[in-house]
Amino acid sequence: QAQLQQSGPGLVKPSQTLSLTCTVPGGSIRSGDYYWSWIRQHPGKGLEWIGYIYYSGSTYYNPSLQSRVSISVDMSKNQFSLKLTSVTAADTAVYYCASTDSIGFYYFYWGQGTLVTVSS
Amino acid sequence: EIVLTQSPATLSLSPGERATLSCRASQSVSSYLAWYQQKPGQAPRLLIYDASSRATGIPDRFSGSGSGTDFTLTISSLEPEDFAVYYCQQRSNWPLTFGGGTKVEIK
Repeated sequence: QAQLQQSGPGLVKPSQTLSLTCTVPGGSIRSGDYYWSWIRQHPGKGLEWIGYIYYSGSTYYNPSLQSRVSISVDMSKNQFSLKLTSVTAADTAVYYCASTDSIGFYYFYWGQGTLVTVSS
Repeated sequence: EIVLTQSPATLSLSPGERATLSCRASQSVSSYLAWYQQKPGQAPRLLIYDASSRATGIPDRFSGSGSGTDFTLTISSLEPEDFAVYYCQQRSNWPLTFGGGTKVEIK
């Protein structure tokens, strides 16, 4: 099912920055059909949408995280990335990268998920 | 933000039985609602979008209905691989939000 490939550390210290990368197959990251997103899931809980980036560079973030989050795209590497600053234990979660299709903001394609634990 | 409330939290059924899952929105989302299935250790899988359209490759035992604030996912006859957690998601308003999930477990 996972069609995007995630990478990044599984352990981050409190107050530091969480950084994850998602690699997109082929050249589709340049396509205007997709919005590239990050979604997280706290242990044993539901899903929380973090934000998206479009190939043009435009972004939109969940207001609950807006002050700490940034999503960027690197077309030369077919990758998009998540940075979340000043993390606390409350940011411990499985982080997924995901993308929409041309139909709308529904998530057809997902990464495999990365459990990020915030601990000293 | 729009709050999606799913019920019941847990549904205990046997293979072959019909499953009916509910998702209620705190305000109208028109038909802009999706359903996902998630199994342990896996990413969610899109089943239904725009309330009633099946995603590619999804068996026709899965169906969605509803509009406005009340939506239903129906699994007509449960197969062993259908026991999982199901989430709804709206794309009507920002930020996108998900429901809390319904676990369909084997009775």
